[in-house]
Amino acid sequence: AQSVAQPEDQVNVAEGNPLTVKCTYSVSGNPYLFWYVQYPNRGLQFLLKYITGDNLVKGSYGFEAEFNKSQTSFHLKKPSALVSDSALYFCAVRDGGGGGFKTIFGAGTRLFVKA
Amino acid sequence: GAVVSQHPSRVICKSGTSVKIECRSLDFQATTMFWYRQFPKQSLMLMATSNEGSKATYEQGVEKDKFLINHASLTLSTLTVTSAHPEDSSFYICSAPRGTEQYFGPGTRLTVT
Repeated sequence: AQSVAQPEDQVNVAEGNPLTVKCTYSVSGNPYLFWYVQYPNRGLQFLLKYITGDNLVKGSYGFEAEFNKSQTSFHLKKPSALVSDSALYFCAVRDGGGGGFKTIFGAGTRLFVKA
Repeated sequence: GAVVSQHPSRVICKSGTSVKIECRSLDFQATTMFWYRQFPKQSLMLMATSNEGSKATYEQGVEKDKFLINHASLTLSTLTVTSAHPEDSSFYICSAPRGTEQYFGPGTRLTVT
């Protein structure tokens, strides 16, 4: 069975500072990993994904994430946070080894960026 | 890009009534769609997989008789919450895969009074 853990309920960072939102995963096959962002009362917005290839994935709005197979992690990062980055972030995993398109989400991490 | 729509965006219904939520893939066909439920300040919980032309697959703990899913065409899946109760109030989100991507609808806020 696949699972995702986001160990932090909330991350606080000052504007202009780097941010990291943590994610670890577990799948039996090849992991397809995703990050989504959600603003209040809105659907999900896709940020980036890892399917294969370069471990460092660059996505929307200056976000990036690094796939680390040995640590089974896929942490989301941004070099310089903006107040407008404040939102709820979800890490998600899909089993690319035959698990179909069934996607499991982490509990979410709320990011607060203070001006 | 691929777009998934949901209708309605918000619905308020009385306890005991049924509510239908539609999920449409607007510019692509989807033989599979997914229905998620999100409680306030919580994650998305997969409820069921909607399969075009066959029965939906429900996740453990989800009542199939309460949450009726019909995948009527390659672009439309519907979720009907039957005999709704206040505890069914939630944010319901559908998604449809295309290639390696998963496209999400904007969500439907259901409030049962």
